[in-house]
Amino acid sequence: SAVISQKPSRDICQRGTSLTIQCQVDSQVTMMFWYRQQPGQSLTLIATANQGSEATYESGFVIDKFPISRPNLTFSTLTVSNMSPEDSSIYLCSVVRLTDTQYFGPGTRLTVL
Amino acid sequence: AQKVTQAQTEISVVEKEDVTLDCVYETRDTTYYLFWYKQPPSGELVFLIRRNSFDEQNEISGRYSWNFQKSTSSFNFTITASQVVDSAVYFCALNTPTGGSNYKLTFGKGTLLTVNP
Repeated sequence: SAVISQKPSRDICQRGTSLTIQCQVDSQVTMMFWYRQQPGQSLTLIATANQGSEATYESGFVIDKFPISRPNLTFSTLTVSNMSPEDSSIYLCSVVRLTDTQYFGPGTRLTVL
Repeated sequence: AQKVTQAQTEISVVEKEDVTLDCVYETRDTTYYLFWYKQPPSGELVFLIRRNSFDEQNEISGRYSWNFQKSTSSFNFTITASQVVDSAVYFCALNTPTGGSNYKLTFGKGTLLTVNP
């Protein structure tokens, strides 16, 4: 498996502000992803974080709202910009290790007031 | 398009009961992977099992077992002698490694399992 950490683990933010979530992996990985889980819902892929190039976003997600950085093979950040209460969710990063299995970080619980 | 259906939204059992969580998937690809993940109240998603489409052998891991049947497009998960610590949301997921989204997971909506003492 993989040891994945996320910061912060939770946060409460005001409408209109931005929050940057960090994801750190214990070893180099090629594939890293960001997911959103809205309250009581399943997981939805936001984007693939590509090292050295722009992230690849899924339909319905745009870079202006969810800018992503991937400066190296062990670290990525996701920013949730200009937040509204609808952005209240758990945000999870995941990585692919061996046997093409995705392992997930502990998640960041975001509440927007 | 890929789709995963977990028809059971919530299941409640008493400790030591056996419980089966259903998962039905849809894909036109012949090569695909199926997964089960557990999400306890803490929120972390814990990997349980990965199955590829060419391996229909059932698998047992302790109290957990999985029944993969391509004929019915199902990948059901059974917990034997359930325990309170099994209480969580369980997600079934599908990956079809095609095109540029080799690792994209399509998740079901999840089944909330509550095991009462």
